[in-house]
Formats: sequence, structure tokens, C-alpha cells
Amino acid sequence: DSGVTQTPKHLITATGQRVTLRCSPRSGDLSVYWYQQSLDQGLQFLIQYYNGEERAKGNILERFSAQQFPDLHSELNLSSLELGDSALYFCASSWGTGLSFSTDTQYFGPGTRLTVL
Amino acid sequence: DAKTTQPNSMESNEEEPVHLPCNHSTISGTDYIHWYRQLPSQGPEYVIHGLTSNVNNRMASLAIAEDRKSSTLILHRATLRDAAVYYCILREITSNTGKLIFGQGTTLQVKP
Repeated sequence: DSGVTQTPKHLITATGQRVTLRCSPRSGDLSVYWYQQSLDQGLQFLIQYYNGEERAKGNILERFSAQQFPDLHSELNLSSLELGDSALYFCASSWGTGLSFSTDTQYFGPGTRLTVL
Repeated sequence: DAKTTQPNSMESNEEEPVHLPCNHSTISGTDYIHWYRQLPSQGPEYVIHGLTSNVNNRMASLAIAEDRKSSTLILHRATLRDAAVYYCILREITSNTGKLIFGQGTTLQVKP
């Protein structure tokens, strides 16, 4: 158990819909990361938040957005869903100094499996 | 981000050592070498990291070539639970973002 929790575990929805994925980081961790894992693209970094502020963006679609709340939990919002958005979405957290993350260990949650029909 | 190259798959027998190679010929002097693994149906987990010297921890050892253009993750006695995808990732020392850039990784099969 990494200490990172994600809800829900599974989500089945229809094209065009909007969903929210939730992540609670390990106690004390300030950084939250979102990753997408699909069969054809592998594991891809989407976005990082550090202490409530966006720190880095990866290949995140404009239809997707995220935020980190004052209690440090994070939500990933996916809207206008398409079939190709079906994937595993992982959240990870790390302590992070805010200055350098080069030796920072990330702890991953169990993921949310999103199926878009 | 500097690129890493790993074999797509490797096989090992249970209780034997496993050497998982990673090439990173364009590595810069400020890149740390990290290894993560992903067990079936789980999120990735941290294994080990190093900069220049060889490193050991309870999970594995990391051997880094003198020119740092390659490294090897060593599992001293493979168990069935070590069957996973292993990712070699470079992270810049001055990076102000913690993002991990995953490649295809090496799928390790462990035979009983």
C-alpha cells in the first residue's frame, strides 16, 4: 500500500460525458501528479501540482483539467469524453522540496480505470 | 529529456540473478538514473536511483558504467513477484518538476 488513494476504482461512462477522478496523496506530500496509461501510448505524464499550484504540464488535452485543493487532495476532470480517453489514470504523490525533484520518490495510487462507451 | 533504451522483454528463472540493462548514451552530467517497476494491475513503484556510484537497497542494486552511458538494474534472486515491467528513467538534477517520462520499459518474466 503506497498511501495514495484514488477513487473511484472503475468508471464506465458514455461519449460526450464528463467525469471527475479524485486522488488523496500520502500524508505530508505536497506534490501530486497525474498520468494516463493506455495500450497504445504507454504511461504518459499529464500534469503536476505542487502545494496547490500547477508546476508542470505534459500531454494533457484541453478537455482535461486538474486542480489541487488546500487539503492537498487533487481532482482530474475529463470532459467531452471520447472513446480514445479510455485508459488507466494514475495519481502519484511526492514530498518535493519545490526546488529540485531530481531524487524525489513518487508513490503511485492503484489507478482509476475509465471506460468510455 | 535524455532518452533511454531498454530491451522489450527478458526472461529469468526463479531464484537466479537478473541483470536488466539500460542504455542512455546522451545522458548529461546532471541526470540521475531512476528505476521504477509496474507489477501487473498495479501502479508503478520506485525501485532505486543513482548518479555516479553503484547503489544498493533492499530491493535491488544499480550498477552504473564509468562513462554513465549505461546502467544495469540487478535483482539478486528473482522471485515470481518480480515479474513486472521495469522502467529506466533519467531525471535532471536541476529539474524543478518531478515529472517522470516513461519509455516502453522491459517486461520481465520469471519462470518457476
